Amino acid sequence: AQSVTQLDSQVPVFEEAPVELRCNYSSSVSVYLFWYVQYPNQGLQLLLKYLSGSTLVKGINGFEAEFNKSQTSFHLRKPSVHISDTAEYFCAVREETSGSRLTFGEGTQLTVNP
Amino acid sequence: EAGVAQSPRYKIIEKRQSVAFWCNPISGHATLYWYQQILGQGPKLLIQFQNNGVVDDSQLPKDRFSAERLKGVDSTLKIQPAKLEDSAVYLCASRRTGGDGYTFGSGTRLTVV
Repeated sequence: AQSVTQLDSQVPVFEEAPVELRCNYSSSVSVYLFWYVQYPNQGLQLLLKYLSGSTLVKGINGFEAEFNKSQTSFHLRKPSVHISDTAEYFCAVREETSGSRLTFGEGTQLTVNP
Repeated sequence: EAGVAQSPRYKIIEKRQSVAFWCNPISGHATLYWYQQILGQGPKLLIQFQNNGVVDDSQLPKDRFSAERLKGVDSTLKIQPAKLEDSAVYLCASRRTGGDGYTFGSGTRLTVV
């Protein structure tokens, strides 16, 4: 069964600094990978996804992520963060062969300080 | 297109009471999911429907939780009786057949006191 580990529960950064949110997954088959953002009292919004092809995926709000199969990682990056990026970020995995359920990590709280 | 609608947004009940949540997915989305998100944790799948049939309910506590999607459109999730540990946000999501996009509703925040 697949699993997702988000290595940092909280990441504080200053505005305009770069940020990386780390995600590792475990699966015995090929996977699809997703990053979602959740603002307070709201649902989950898709930032980006990796299905196939180029391992560097660009998403909304200036975020990008790189799929590394050998390291089973899918880290999320942004070169310069804004106060408005403060939110909870979730990495999720879906196995190609086991239906369409998404398995989520525990989340990383990104706090951008002025 | 309209998003996934959920109601109510908030609910406070006493333990041992019953509660029901409602979800209306995006029109045409055959697959519907209910997730439970406990504070400080990632969402966990409770049940998945394909049209009006259950695909996966392996993580649904069936002694107290039930869900239905009778006409293959909207869905209800019920808890009876509720326990303190059921306090969480209940998220509904939908996906069209063959699609890769999962659309989430804003959730129902349940507090059991």
